[in-house]
Amino acid sequence: EAQVTQNPRYLITVTGKKLTVTCSQNMNHEYMSWYRQDPGLGLRQIYYSMNVEVTDKGDVPEGYKVSRKEKRNFPLILESPSPNQTSLYFCASSKRQGNYGYTFGSGTRLTVV
Amino acid sequence: GQNIDQPTEMTATEGAIVQINCTYQTSGFNGLFWYQQHAGEAPTFLSYNVLDGLEEKGRFSSFLSRSKGYSYLLLKELQMKDSASYLCVGGGYNKLIFGAGTRLAVHP
Repeated sequence: EAQVTQNPRYLITVTGKKLTVTCSQNMNHEYMSWYRQDPGLGLRQIYYSMNVEVTDKGDVPEGYKVSRKEKRNFPLILESPSPNQTSLYFCASSKRQGNYGYTFGSGTRLTVV
Repeated sequence: GQNIDQPTEMTATEGAIVQINCTYQTSGFNGLFWYQQHAGEAPTFLSYNVLDGLEEKGRFSSFLSRSKGYSYLLLKELQMKDSASYLCVGGGYNKLIFGAGTRLAVHP
């Protein structure tokens, strides 16, 4: 089944403790992206990647890192999480950049205390 | 600038028709998407318009006017399971621009 797999689904952590949210897609998509969703706001892009070893900042990249060493994986790293990073996170992939629809992962609800 | 505007909330009755409007301003416009999102779940693709006009897909239709920066999603024969948020999404060169979504409540 074609899908984007995100883990974990739920995570509660403490301020400053490094964490990684994994994202993997099995559709051979070139384009992958991370979004965060907060109440009353649309999904906001954190980082995106147009292909292996090519990543770039989105609209809200502060406090986050990503890597794209393989086509299928695009982990999101929070080196020193803070409470304002409490949010619902979605990984998405697309065949290529441009006017192709996204396939989303199931989401990761992160709480930083 | 880049901006997507849509109503925050709407209510409708089961079996009825509802139209969700969206106005947009995006640079490098590359089509207009509609996604459905149930609470706490991932958005799922509903429709895509790149040319002016109406695209129909079962109970759902989407319309685009590029000159007016306007789109709407039309849902017919509403069902209770249609209670969800509907996201108007502008396609750009290297990313999608999401509106905050319209929360639709369908009641009996």
